[in-house]
Amino acid sequence: QVQLQESGPGLVKPSETLSLTCIVSGGSVSSGNYYWSWIRQPPGKGLDWIGYIYDSGSTNYNPSLKSRAAISVDTSKNQFSLKLSFVTAADTAIYFCARGALVGATVFDYWGQGTLVTVSS
Amino acid sequence: SSELTQDPAVSVALGQTVRITCQGDSLRNYYASWYQQKPGQAPVVVFYGKNNRPSGIPDRFSGSSSGNTASLTITGAQAEDEADYYCNSRGNSANHPFGGGTKLTVL
Repeated sequence: QVQLQESGPGLVKPSETLSLTCIVSGGSVSSGNYYWSWIRQPPGKGLDWIGYIYDSGSTNYNPSLKSRAAISVDTSKNQFSLKLSFVTAADTAIYFCARGALVGATVFDYWGQGTLVTVSS
Repeated sequence: SSELTQDPAVSVALGQTVRITCQGDSLRNYYASWYQQKPGQAPVVVFYGKNNRPSGIPDRFSGSSSGNTASLTITGAQAEDEADYYCNSRGNSANHPFGGGTKLTVL
């Protein structure tokens, strides 16, 4: 059973960089064909896909983030990370990490429990 | 604005059938996946692709697709199905936007 767990600061100051890590257990981030993903949800609002890293280290991001997001993977620790720079209050959200698999459709089949990040001075 | 459009809210009488829809141009080329989210919990996939229901998801959940519209149907809705439902699909430039979500109320 694959499990994902987010970790990182719950409070970030405006204009600084948000950094989160997702620790994966029960599976390997080195496994092919998976999209190791970040998704967020502002309080009371819907899901917002941030981006993913897959296979050889290729990445893809939500264009709305205007190049502020960066996802990387650390195979030695079996984890992947998100950095979001120049944050504002609009980046306050619950951040989820998830595993995406391409099986007829891209499906996010395993999710972390989510971690709330508040952007405030 | 989202590339995938959902009705904000839908209601269904207990035991009746309800269909939740998701519209977007990308759905002409790619299948959708559907997620159920209850308050304070992470989303859970309930249906995906042409005809795939994950293990443990009741068979009252089914999906379909036609043209630019994907649908999630709950046949015989139960009280525990009350939740927010989101669609997701590959969009332009290989991004993966979610629909805005549909709040399902079971009356």
